[in-house]
Amino acid sequence: LAKTTQPISMDSYEGQEVNITCSHNNIATNDYITWYQQFPSQGPRFIIQGYKTKVTNEVASLFIPADRKSSTLSLPRVSLSDTAVYYCLVGDSNYKYIFGTGTRLKVLA
Amino acid sequence: DSGVTQTPKHLITATGQRVTLRCSPRSGDLSVYWYQQSLDQGLQFLIQYYNGEERAKGNILERFSAQQFPDLHSELNLSSLELGDSALYFCASSEVGQDPSGNTIYFGEGSWLTVV
Repeated sequence: LAKTTQPISMDSYEGQEVNITCSHNNIATNDYITWYQQFPSQGPRFIIQGYKTKVTNEVASLFIPADRKSSTLSLPRVSLSDTAVYYCLVGDSNYKYIFGTGTRLKVLA
Repeated sequence: DSGVTQTPKHLITATGQRVTLRCSPRSGDLSVYWYQQSLDQGLQFLIQYYNGEERAKGNILERFSAQQFPDLHSELNLSSLELGDSALYFCASSEVGQDPSGNTIYFGEGSWLTVV
């Protein structure tokens, strides 16, 4: 089971780029990396998923180095509405999709 | 809207009682997952079903049980409820069950359970 480690919290200002890094040292060969966003009292929402190098969609980018032992979620020009908890999830061959503690991002005006 | 539907949205019940939470997965999804999230806590994986069969089990209490029906909806049964069972219970679904590679899980909005 690939355990993930993320910073507990981060603060940023509106308009800045935010990078949240997740460590997953024992990621397996077939594992994908997925990031979720969760607002209070709501279900986690899929943001982005990747296997290697870089993936970009309309809301974020995901950078994965060659050794895949970490990944970085990049949120361009954050706004107050991006204040949320962000979870990094690594696929598990035992089908136990266990979330880590997540990173609580606070965007300040 | 993720397409995962959970009912009821809110539930208040007394200690010692039993409740059933219901989940309808996204159309076409064969896997269903249940998670528990207590106040200001992380997501605790409880159990996963694939096409009616239990696939993986997490830290699910013996007082809790779940099942997935032939129409793929799932129910989580919580019995002998205690105050500490008060939490947000999420159901999630995904297409993939045989191969977790690239599996994307979509979450419902949760069922708020308050035990008094």
